[in-house]
Amino acid sequence: AQSVTQPDIHITVSEGASLELRCNYSYGATPYLFWYVQSPGQGLQLLLKYFSGDTLVQGIKGFEAEFKRSQSSFNLRKPSVHWSDAAEYFCAVGLDYKLSFGAGTTVTVRA
Amino acid sequence: DVKVTQSSRYLVKRTGEKVFLECVQDMDHENMFWYRQDPGLGLRLIYFSYDVKMKEKGDIPEGYSVSREKKERFSLILESASTNQTSMYLCASTPGGGGGPNTGELFFGEGSRLTVL
Repeated sequence: AQSVTQPDIHITVSEGASLELRCNYSYGATPYLFWYVQSPGQGLQLLLKYFSGDTLVQGIKGFEAEFKRSQSSFNLRKPSVHWSDAAEYFCAVGLDYKLSFGAGTTVTVRA
Repeated sequence: DVKVTQSSRYLVKRTGEKVFLECVQDMDHENMFWYRQDPGLGLRLIYFSYDVKMKEKGDIPEGYSVSREKKERFSLILESASTNQTSMYLCASTPGGGGGPNTGELFFGEGSRLTVL
């Protein structure tokens, strides 16, 4: 059965510092991969997605993610965090109508 | 912009009550989904629908049913609410043409927070 693991429940980062969120998946084949962000009181918004091709994917709000097939990972990065990046981040994988989501990582940004 | 609207942001119900959660999307999407979001568990798929009057069970359908009589509207029904159904419920939609992730992103509503007392 497919599964998605986000090992970090909570990360605190200083404004201006770099951020990396980890995502590992277990799947029968190479799935489509997504990162979503949920700001407080809001629904989820797509940050970026990987279907095929270049393994480094650029997204909105200055985020990027790198797909590593050998490690079954799809880690999200941002070089310099802004206070508005404080949110919960979800990794998701899927191949058909159904996506499997990780448990989420909450990011706190300190001044 | 795609808009997915969930009719109630906050609901408080009593055990045993019948609960309806309504979701409407305005972009003519074929596929619609209901997820449940709980701390530490992420999002879990309850039901989805890829066409009017069509529905498929997700990972946690027990205790829930759905209705899709019109393309733009997808309702989640709790026939007899229980305290373990206290949660955040998220509706999402995505275009058809094969549906699901291979057409791009899911568009989410803002969520309905249900408390069952």
